[in-house]
Amino acid sequence: DQQVKQNSPSLSVQEGRISILNCDYTNSMFDYFLWYKKYPAEGPTFLISISSIKDKNEDGRFTVFLNKSAKHLSLHIVPSQPGDSAVYFCAASAIGTDKLIFGTGTRLQVFP
Amino acid sequence: DAGVIQSPRHEVTEMGQEVTLRCKPISGHNSLFWYRQTMMRGLELLIYFNNNVPIDDSGMPEDRFSAKMPNASFSTLKIQPSEPRDSAVYFCASSLGHTDTQYFGPGTRLTVL
Repeated sequence: DQQVKQNSPSLSVQEGRISILNCDYTNSMFDYFLWYKKYPAEGPTFLISISSIKDKNEDGRFTVFLNKSAKHLSLHIVPSQPGDSAVYFCAASAIGTDKLIFGTGTRLQVFP
Repeated sequence: DAGVIQSPRHEVTEMGQEVTLRCKPISGHNSLFWYRQTMMRGLELLIYFNNNVPIDDSGMPEDRFSAKMPNASFSTLKIQPSEPRDSAVYFCASSLGHTDTQYFGPGTRLTVL
């Protein structure tokens, strides 16, 4: 039973345009959400996070939005660059636990 | 500064053989995590340690899997006997504390024939 779902396995975006990666979750106890980026043959690296007390967090070209009522979060990358081409994992942790629950990932390809 | 180190990077073995994956966390980090990545299930947490003590092993698939952390700078994940369905990429991650940002190693790609 996937508690964190990334329903789009892949996304293709032109350089300079906006990339929007989506993530849905089912556990209402989740209170902290993260995005990790993964290049081939490397481990995932932390990108950006958001606490459930916020609905938006921005870091340069990357913004994460959280809609608690819809149990949905999204990662916006503006403008997209070819170096952003990677697999993006959404992850969540619940109150009182140390475990991160990851989604299955979305492969982003940014083409010139 | 060295990141999380995993060995081997690739492992090919035959069904029934014992497989041992190794991890050296970042120096000073107190928490260590073992994950498995598959296409169908994404990244799954298998087990994590805090100060060398296993805290949660509920993600370990079955008794064929075991993990140890004999000291703060070394951990192993053992599969015995291995089966083809164990084929996946296994990641080790470490963090300062169990709620801090996790830093992942490059992973071990395991293929069981």
